[in-house]
Amino acid sequence: DAKTTQPNSMESNEEEPVHLPCNHSTISGTDYIHWYRQLPSQGPEYVIHGLTSNVNNRMASLAIAEDRKSSTLILHRATLRDAAVYYCASGGGADGLTFGKGTHLIIQP
Amino acid sequence: NAGVTQTPKFQVLKTGQSMTLQCAQDMNHEYMSWYRQDPGMGLRLIHYSVGAGITDQGEVPNGYNVSRSTTEDFPLRLLSAAPSQTSVYFCASSYSRGRTYEQYFGPGTRLTVT
Repeated sequence: DAKTTQPNSMESNEEEPVHLPCNHSTISGTDYIHWYRQLPSQGPEYVIHGLTSNVNNRMASLAIAEDRKSSTLILHRATLRDAAVYYCASGGGADGLTFGKGTHLIIQP
Repeated sequence: NAGVTQTPKFQVLKTGQSMTLQCAQDMNHEYMSWYRQDPGMGLRLIHYSVGAGITDQGEVPNGYNVSRSTTEDFPLRLLSAAPSQTSVYFCASSYSRGRTYEQYFGPGTRLTVT
């Protein structure tokens, strides 16, 4: 099983970029890297996922290291609504995703 | 389009009681799963299903049973509730086995076992 580690919390200022790191120390070659975020009292919400290449969508960008042992979720211009707990996860085969413990992102106005 | 729905939202059980947490999705997804979320532990996989009639155990399956008789529904049964099962439970679904597609999560069921 993939072991996934993240910092407990990070703080950033509104309208600045945010880089959220994740380590995937035991990721296998076929495991995808996923990111989800969770607002209080809600279920996790999909943000982005990828396998080897960097990925962009309307919410964020995902940078994946060449050896795939780490990834970074990039929020290009943080807003107060981006304050949430961000989870990275890997796997996604028949036995599901292995989640990290989450990074609590605090956005200062 | 309701997505993934879960009932009930909240439940209090006494030790030894049984109950079923309901999960339904209307997206015709093959893959469904149950996670539990505990403070400081992230989300941990309990059971999953890759299609109707097929289920398997995840990381923390003890004390829980599942069945998948239809594509839409994936109930989670607690056979004899224990205080260690106090948690928030999330059901999720995905187009496939989750390898390449995002998972859609329900709003959760907050369970307290006294």
